[in-house]
Amino acid sequence: AQSVTQPDIHITVSEGASLELRCNYSYGATPYLFWYVQSPGQGLQLLLKYFSGDTLVQGIKGFEAEFKRSQSSFNLRKPSVHWSDAAEYFCAVGAPGGSYIPTFGRGTSLIVHP
Amino acid sequence: DAGITQSPRHKVTETGTPVTLRCHQTENHRYMYWYRQDPGHGLRLIHYSYGVKDTDKGEVSDGYSVSRSKTEDFLLTLESATSSQTSVYFCAIPSGRVAGELFFGEGSRLTVL
Repeated sequence: AQSVTQPDIHITVSEGASLELRCNYSYGATPYLFWYVQSPGQGLQLLLKYFSGDTLVQGIKGFEAEFKRSQSSFNLRKPSVHWSDAAEYFCAVGAPGGSYIPTFGRGTSLIVHP
Repeated sequence: DAGITQSPRHKVTETGTPVTLRCHQTENHRYMYWYRQDPGHGLRLIHYSYGVKDTDKGEVSDGYSVSRSKTEDFLLTLESATSSQTSVYFCAIPSGRVAGELFFGEGSRLTVL
């Protein structure tokens, strides 16, 4: 069965600082990987995805993520955080064994200090 | 963009009462999903549907039932609501680009007193 771990419940950064949110997955082969963002009171919006090819993927709002097979990781990064990036971030994995229905991590809450 | 409408958006009810949440899509997708979101648990799959009258259980299906009598509507029913079902419920459909990529509704916040 597929699973996702987001080890950080909260991350606090200063505006303008760089950001890395961690995500580790468990699955025997290469799954499909996603990052979603949820602003307060809103639904989830897809930031970026990986399913094959280049292991560094670019997303919306200046985010990128790198798939590392050896570490079973798909960490989300941004070089310079803006106050509007404060939100909840979810990593998700979809795999053939689960009919590609995504399993979500518990989420990381990003707090941005001015 | 895909269209999903969830109703009601907010509901307060009492323990033991039945509750039905509705998800309506305008994209004619076969697949529809219901997730619940709780602090510390992320999103967990309750039930999903892969066609009219075709549904299956997810990770946290106990206490919930679903129905899909037409493609556009997927109903989630709590037969007898309990306080542990206080949550935010999200409906989702495939975005159509990559398997597993979903488009979410805006959520229905349910409080069971």
